[in-house]
Amino acid sequence: GDSVTQMEGPVTLSEEAFLTINCTYTATGYPSLFWYVQYPGEGLQLLLKATKADDKGSNKGFEATYRKETTSFHLEKGSVQVSDSAVYFCAQNPERGAQKLVFGQGTRLTINP
Amino acid sequence: KAGVTQTPRYLIKTRGQQVTLSCSPISGHRSVSWYQQTPGQGLQFLFEYFSETQRNKGNFPGRFSGRQFSNSRSEMNVSTLELGDSALYLCASSFPKSGGLLARDTQYFGPGTRLTVL
Repeated sequence: GDSVTQMEGPVTLSEEAFLTINCTYTATGYPSLFWYVQYPGEGLQLLLKATKADDKGSNKGFEATYRKETTSFHLEKGSVQVSDSAVYFCAQNPERGAQKLVFGQGTRLTINP
Repeated sequence: KAGVTQTPRYLIKTRGQQVTLSCSPISGHRSVSWYQQTPGQGLQFLFEYFSETQRNKGNFPGRFSGRQFSNSRSEMNVSTLELGDSALYLCASSFPKSGGLLARDTQYFGPGTRLTVL
C-alpha cells in the first residue's frame, strides 16, 4: 500500500547548521508530496509541496525535490534557526482529487543556540 | 482570510460517552478531511467529505462517523468512547473556488481538538 517513511528522530542541531530530513515513499500511482510542520500545541502548517517529478518545493529557506527515480522527497535547509524547532511531517496524497494524506511518523527537530 | 477553525479545542470525556467535534473550513473550500493524531499511531486519515457526501474513509471502526452541512462545515462523532480514542483530532480543508489543478491537493489544517477519555 501507499506509505511514507521518515528518518528517525529526534534530531538536534546547533544554530546555523545544515539540515536534512530524509523521506521516502511507496505509491502505486504518482502522488503529490508535502512537508508539514507542527509547533507545540498547534495543528499542521504546510511548509512546501511538489506535485510532479523533479518539482522543487521551497519556503522559508526549506527545500525539497520530488525524486521519482529514488521515490524520495528529502527536506533541506542551509542554515537552521532556533525558531525552526518543531516536528516535521512528510506526507503524500496518493490519489489526485481525493483529499486523503498519508503521513510519515514525524521527525522532532531541536535547534540549540 | 480566516483559517480552519475547530471547536472545542479541548474535551474531557469518560468511557462509554459520545462526543461531537466541529470544523469550519476556509471560506470557499468544499472538502473537509479529518485525521487522528496519537503518539503511538501517528497521523491517520479518518474520512473526507465533499459537497455533503463522504468520499473517502479510513480504516476506523463504525463508532467514528461524520457529516458535512451545506455550508461545508463538518462534524465528526465518536460514540461509545474508549481510552484509546484519546487523541488530537485534526480537520483540514481544501478545494478553493479559484486556483488551478495544483491548488486542489493542498490541505490546510485547523489547530485541532484535544480529546481525553478517562
